[in-house]
Amino acid sequence: KQEVTQIPAALSVPEGENLVLNCSFTDSAIYNLQWFRQDPGKGLTSLLLIQSSQREQTSGRLNASLDKSSGRSTLYIAASQPGDSATYLCAVRPGSGNTGKLIFGQGTTLQVKP
Amino acid sequence: EPEVTQTPSHQVTQMGQEVILRCVPISNHLYFYWYRQILGQKVEFLVSFYNNEISEKSEIFDDQFSVERPDGSNFTLKIRSTKLEDSAMYFCAGSQAGEGRFGPGTRLTVT
Repeated sequence: KQEVTQIPAALSVPEGENLVLNCSFTDSAIYNLQWFRQDPGKGLTSLLLIQSSQREQTSGRLNASLDKSSGRSTLYIAASQPGDSATYLCAVRPGSGNTGKLIFGQGTTLQVKP
Repeated sequence: EPEVTQTPSHQVTQMGQEVILRCVPISNHLYFYWYRQILGQKVEFLVSFYNNEISEKSEIFDDQFSVERPDGSNFTLKIRSTKLEDSAMYFCAGSQAGEGRFGPGTRLTVT
């Protein structure tokens, strides 16, 4: 059974720091992996999607990497800003197709202090 | 950019009552999903829906739950007889080329 774990559970950093959020999954047979942002009481905003054949994806100050064989992904946030404060969720889509469910980690709650 | 929309944003209901949560997916999405997130817990998969049929459901999605696409745009989740433990955020999602796109959620509070 696929399980997704994110560490740390919470992180507090001063503005301007570069930081890394970690995600691990137990079964390497995934179709893709997606990082989301969730603000308190709000929905999930897709940040980055990495296909199983890809090693990394970049969007602005965000860079996500994927090492499928070791069951790991990282989300790198450069030059953090107070507006980055949110919960970051990692989710994997198991199997070989693009239509299956997503399995989520618990999330990392990030606070960026001015 | 098109978005998934959900109504209502917040629903309060008494235990034992029926609720219907509504979603309007993005028009070119073919696969639809419902997830829920109990406060402080992980986002959990409930059900996936394709071509007017359930394609997969979780253990959570028991006989109290049902989904429908009553017309070409809306996608609904019905809970027949709500329990206290059904209190959660319910998210509708669609998928296009393997990317999940989520709605803002409906917060369901069962009293």
